[in-house]
Amino acid sequence: GAVVSQHPSRVICKSGTSVKIECRSLDFQATTMFWYRQFPKQSLMLMATSNEGSKATYEQGVEKDKFLINHASLTLSTLTVTSAHPEDSSFYICSARADRVGNYGYTFGSGTRLTVV
Amino acid sequence: LAKTTQPISMDSYEGQEVNITCSHNNIATNDYITWYQQFPSQGPRFIIQGYKTKVTNEVASLFIPADRKSSTLSLPRVSLSDTAVYYCLVGTTGVYNQGGKLIFGQGTELSVKP
Repeated sequence: GAVVSQHPSRVICKSGTSVKIECRSLDFQATTMFWYRQFPKQSLMLMATSNEGSKATYEQGVEKDKFLINHASLTLSTLTVTSAHPEDSSFYICSARADRVGNYGYTFGSGTRLTVV
Repeated sequence: LAKTTQPISMDSYEGQEVNITCSHNNIATNDYITWYQQFPSQGPRFIIQGYKTKVTNEVASLFIPADRKSSTLSLPRVSLSDTAVYYCLVGTTGVYNQGGKLIFGQGTELSVKP
């Protein structure tokens, strides 16, 4: 089945630094990838949608200059949290959609726990 | 995108059948109903999807009435490992749906006790 690998699974960074999170579709081509953020005891909140080779579309209220998304290939999307602050500490999850039938076509990564100290 | 409403939490005991109902009054003709399961510190995992009537797989059953304004996820004989958050999502699907995005509601936190 479709597998999405997300790396790292856990990262701690100092306030003011930048962190890059990778999301890879291992056995399929993902023309569209999605990035979510999830705070403790809350649901997933969609941050942005990225299509391969084009600029990401950000949801209302999400700072595009702070959360840089790059979808340079059909198997890789990256989310960079720039100048991270403690309030950016959260669980970040990516999802990839394959252009194929069945199973709604969406597969999620295992998530990245970001802690900014 | 159709909004969904689910109970915030449910409790059950091992071996029981659990039914989680989701309300989606504004579901559109092209919308499918999909359920995901999420364990703590993990990404959501697909459970089941349906359009109408009943769908069953090795994990669960999904019951959808004729008006499609609600749906019920049925988990037979739950175990402790079924403790998780369950999300009901409604939206278009398929190969040719460009730009479709999954919007998560609050989900139902299921707690299975011994």
